[in-house]
Amino acid sequence: DAKTTQPNSMESNEEEPVHLPCNHSTISGTDYIHWYRQLPSQGPEYVIHGLTSNVNNRMASLAIAEDRKSSTLILHRATLRDAAVYYCILRDVEETSGSRLTFGEGTQLTVNP
Amino acid sequence: ETGVTQTPRHLVMGMTNKKSLKCEQHLGHNAMYWYKQSAKKPLELMFVYSLEERVENNSVPSRFSPECPNSSHLFLHLHTLQPEDSALYLCASSQGTYMNTEAFFGQGTRLTVV
Repeated sequence: DAKTTQPNSMESNEEEPVHLPCNHSTISGTDYIHWYRQLPSQGPEYVIHGLTSNVNNRMASLAIAEDRKSSTLILHRATLRDAAVYYCILRDVEETSGSRLTFGEGTQLTVNP
Repeated sequence: ETGVTQTPRHLVMGMTNKKSLKCEQHLGHNAMYWYKQSAKKPLELMFVYSLEERVENNSVPSRFSPECPNSSHLFLHLHTLQPEDSALYLCASSQGTYMNTEAFFGQGTRLTVV
């Protein structure tokens, strides 16, 4: 399985942009890059995903490097509610069972008021 | 509200008890998953069901027994558990198991084995 590497923790101030990095140097051509986040005492929540091009949605933006070996999740204006563990995941495919989400340690984001 | 509901939210059981965790999704999805999240550890995939058929069993001990009677419901039957099985058990669903679909998670069942 292709693996991802994220910093263990990051801090941000409220209303400032946050850039959460993810390295995935062994990514294959058909791996999608997914981001999920997990707020305290809740299940993970989908944030965004992409393949090659940068993606935007109402929650965040995903910037993907040209060689696809890294990506960055961008929260444009952090709020206190964005404090969570953010997971960068490569969606891998196995013939017998289809695709599955494999979670790593993630990045704990702290947002300071 | 994600559309995936898990019950109960909290469960305390003895090692000789039998209990079941329930998951229900109202999203019309055809794939459902059980994950385990122990303290200070990443989420571990336990089981995957696609079209009500189990397609993955991730070396999970037989004291955990999943059941998927239809595409909207998923159960995890528990018996003779150990204290180290105490964890947050999360259910998820998605439309298919393909690479570009997002998964929706329930809020989990916090299980304590005493």
